[in-house]
Amino acid sequence: DSGVTQTPKHLITATGQRVTLRCSPRSGDLSVYWYQQSLDQGLQFLIQYYNGEERAKGNILERFSAQQFPDLHSELNLSSLELGDSALYFCASSAVPGYNEQFFGPGTRLTVL
Amino acid sequence: AQTVTQSQPEMSVQEAETVTLSCTYDTSESDYYLFWYKQPPSRQMILVIRQEAYKQQNATENRFSVNFQKAAKSFSLKISDSQLGDAAMYFCAYRILNTDKLIFGTGTRLQVFP
Repeated sequence: DSGVTQTPKHLITATGQRVTLRCSPRSGDLSVYWYQQSLDQGLQFLIQYYNGEERAKGNILERFSAQQFPDLHSELNLSSLELGDSALYFCASSAVPGYNEQFFGPGTRLTVL
Repeated sequence: AQTVTQSQPEMSVQEAETVTLSCTYDTSESDYYLFWYKQPPSRQMILVIRQEAYKQQNATENRFSVNFQKAAKSFSLKISDSQLGDAAMYFCAYRILNTDKLIFGTGTRLQVFP
């Protein structure tokens, strides 16, 4: 158990809908990262927050947005969902930016029908 | 742009034998980290081993070791005395020093036969 929690574990929804994925970092970690893993692919970096502020952005679609709250948990919002958005979404956390290990949560499996 | 390539989609090994997973990367940076992550059927991403590019000595963690060839931009993972529990997807990843974005390869699926 990495100490990073993600909810829900599974999510099934329809095209055009909007969902919110939630992540709680390890106790004391200030930085949160979101990654997307499509079927049989590596993880793709989406976005990073540090202490409530956006720090780095990857190839995140405009339909996707995220935020980190004062209690340091983070939410990833996916809207106007398409079939191709079906994937595993991982959250990871680290103590501070540049700290050389990111601890991953168990992931949320999103299925768009 | 930095890229990570894992050219072996699948590998298999017999229990107690040794297997080597390959990884190459492309970068113009001189300072960076390299990682191997394991993803078992549970989907959890588990850090197996990491290597700092400025260190010449190859990293070792119990049965796991790497062969880091900086000039060749190669970073292979050797698993000795393979166990059934080693069966998983293995991902090679790269990160520039002082940044946080991890760049992953497409993974190698390792099967372990009794």
